[in-house]
Amino acid sequence: DQQVKQNSPSLSVQEGRISILNCDYTNSMFDYFLWYKKYPAEGPTFLISISSIKDKNEDGRFTVFLNKSAKHLSLHIVPSQPGDSAVYFCAAAGGTSYGKLTFGQGTILTVHP
Amino acid sequence: NAGVTQTPKFQVLKTGQSMTLQCAQDMNHEYMSWYRQDPGMGLRLIHYSVGAGITDQGEVPNGYNVSRSTTEDFPLRLLSAAPSQTSVYFCASSTTGVSPLHFGNGTRLTVT
Repeated sequence: DQQVKQNSPSLSVQEGRISILNCDYTNSMFDYFLWYKKYPAEGPTFLISISSIKDKNEDGRFTVFLNKSAKHLSLHIVPSQPGDSAVYFCAAAGGTSYGKLTFGQGTILTVHP
Repeated sequence: NAGVTQTPKFQVLKTGQSMTLQCAQDMNHEYMSWYRQDPGMGLRLIHYSVGAGITDQGEVPNGYNVSRSTTEDFPLRLLSAAPSQTSVYFCASSTTGVSPLHFGNGTRLTVT
C-alpha cells in the first residue's frame, strides 16, 4: 500500500520555464511534508518542507503547495535551471517522529538548456 | 565536517553470506535510520534509532539487524544475504525526529 505516490516517473522542461512536480498521499495522519533532491551516486538532500498548518511555503526558486482536502502537494521550481536536473522525492510524516518518513517513488526531472 | 559517512560504497555478496554496512555521523544527532532504495519503490525505512541503546523496526526490517551502542554509529547487519536484498542502502540522521534527515551517499549492494 503506497501511502505517498508520485505518479509521474519523469518530467522534461525547458530552461527558464516552470517545473511542477506532484505528489499525492492517502494517510490523513500525515501532517508534515518534505521534498528531497537526489543526484546520481549521492544521497538525497533536503530541499523544502511544509507543515499542515500552512498551504504554501517558499524558498527562493522553490515553492511547495499543500492542498489538504485533496491530499495533494506540489513543488514548483521557477525558473528551472539545468542544474535542477535530478530525482525529486516527496516524503511525509505524522505523529511525533518526523524522521520516520514515508517516501514517494520519485520523479526524474530533466531541464534542457 | 563529514556529515554522514557510509562504508563501503560498493559490495558484492554471495547468497548466504553476512556483512555489516557501516554508518557514522559527526553531527551529534540523536536520530538515525536506514533506508533502502529500489527502482519504482522510492526509499523504504528498514530500522531506526532515536538514541543510543534504542532501536525499532521500520517498514521492511526482515533480514536485517541493527544496534546503537554510541550516538555516532549505527551499523546495519545482513545476517544471510539474499538476492532480494540487492539494493542501494542509505543511512540518515537528524537532530531529533522533527527535523529533516541528512543522508549519506549510499552503499550499493549486489547479492548473487
